[in-house]
Amino acid sequence: SQQGEEDPQALSIQEGENATMNCSYKTSINNLQWYRQNSGRGLVHLILIRSNEREKHSGRLRVTLDTSKKSSSLLITASRAADTASYFCATANSGAGSYQLTFGKGTKLSVIP
Amino acid sequence: SQTIHQWPATLVQPVGSPLSLECTVEGTSNPNLYWYRQAAGRGLQLLFYSVGIGQISSEVPQNLSASRPQDRQFILSSKKLLLSDSGFYLCALESGYSYNEQFFGPGTRLTVL
Repeated sequence: SQQGEEDPQALSIQEGENATMNCSYKTSINNLQWYRQNSGRGLVHLILIRSNEREKHSGRLRVTLDTSKKSSSLLITASRAADTASYFCATANSGAGSYQLTFGKGTKLSVIP
Repeated sequence: SQTIHQWPATLVQPVGSPLSLECTVEGTSNPNLYWYRQAAGRGLQLLFYSVGIGQISSEVPQNLSASRPQDRQFILSSKKLLLSDSGFYLCALESGYSYNEQFFGPGTRLTVL
């Protein structure tokens, strides 16, 4: 079953603007991850944030995690046309089944040059 | 570095025909391996995962099966394909070093007619 739910489903911005995507989940997690998928390709891991972390940066990416609200956000700053892709959050649940990631349905980001 | 190969890249099969999709990995030992299916414009659905040779866990009851005959080989099969089996099939690995991060193969696009 789907645990992560991304919002919005689709986002269109101009190059140079910031893009923010949100993810909500339902159960306790060990960590939360964000992945990127270019059309027709496999997913690429972007960043992992552990349940005891609140914020993490990687280049132009900034991820926040609020475990009290069971939500996360991915911010891409100074977007580029090459950032056009679908972005998925995935949760690694704590406890049993921790081998598994549960993916959301994704946010489709379009960056207009 | 870790590499995942999937073949074929695309496949068109008639309803009722058998299926065999292969996934092989390089650059890691004793990985956890996963098969996902992604319907058009949707998130990922976990189908099977394997923590070792001959060990398969099924997440969704269906007409698909999986096998892991070797440490670095994961096969997805069906005896009789259904129209609903169409989709993008992704193989992924999780190594002991990556703490839940999954690395994805390029995928196989399956169309059942």
